[in-house]
Amino acid sequence: QVQLVESGGGVVQPGWSLRLSCAASGFTFTSSGMHWVRQAPGKGLEWVAGISYDGINKYHSDSVKGRFTISRDNSNDKVYLQMNSLTAEDTAVYYCAKDQNTYGPPRGVDVWGQGTTVTVSS
Amino acid sequence: DIQMTQSPSSVSASVGDRVTITCRASQDISTWLAWYQQKPGKAPKLLISAASSLQSGVPSRFSGSGSGTDFTLTISSLQPEDFATYYCLQANSFPFTFGQGTRLEIK
Repeated sequence: QVQLVESGGGVVQPGWSLRLSCAASGFTFTSSGMHWVRQAPGKGLEWVAGISYDGINKYHSDSVKGRFTISRDNSNDKVYLQMNSLTAEDTAVYYCAKDQNTYGPPRGVDVWGQGTTVTVSS
Repeated sequence: DIQMTQSPSSVSASVGDRVTITCRASQDISTWLAWYQQKPGKAPKLLISAASSLQSGVPSRFSGSGSGTDFTLTISSLQPEDFATYYCLQANSFPFTFGQGTRLEIK
């Protein structure tokens, strides 16, 4: 079955960096776009970043543009989120998610990982 | 950016009730709209994609409709396991945007 397993979360100080990883299995990774979505404590869902199936096209929300970068390794079925210059407002559960479209532009999320928690605090 | 306005923000209902949740997009998104259910401490679950396509395994009491800017999620007869928070997501253009969520509570 399709499985997404995030790792790399933790507690960091403001200004620090962190890299999240997501290991995918159970589907043809190279055919699917991927996303990161976050949820701050007690808040709603916020789409953070997306990447096309081939890694050529990358998209980031305005709130993280210039600080976060999504990437993927199609040889190892992994997607990453490099997070720099972290602030308290980045504290959230970060979900890795699979796009529902194949070999085409990203068109929405169908499968989610269980999430990894990032806490930014001094 | 496309703004998604979801309403109501919360609703109280009883088992067996019919409930409707709406999402309005700030511009035409065709049918690139999905609905998710989230229970506390869990990842969201996809219920409906492309505005009206019910996902495999999702009970038929869930249905979605709409196109353009106005969309609806309907639960025809609430069951105890349906009490959760529901979100819409527009996937027409980047950045993707979610509605604010609707918390469905037991009356």
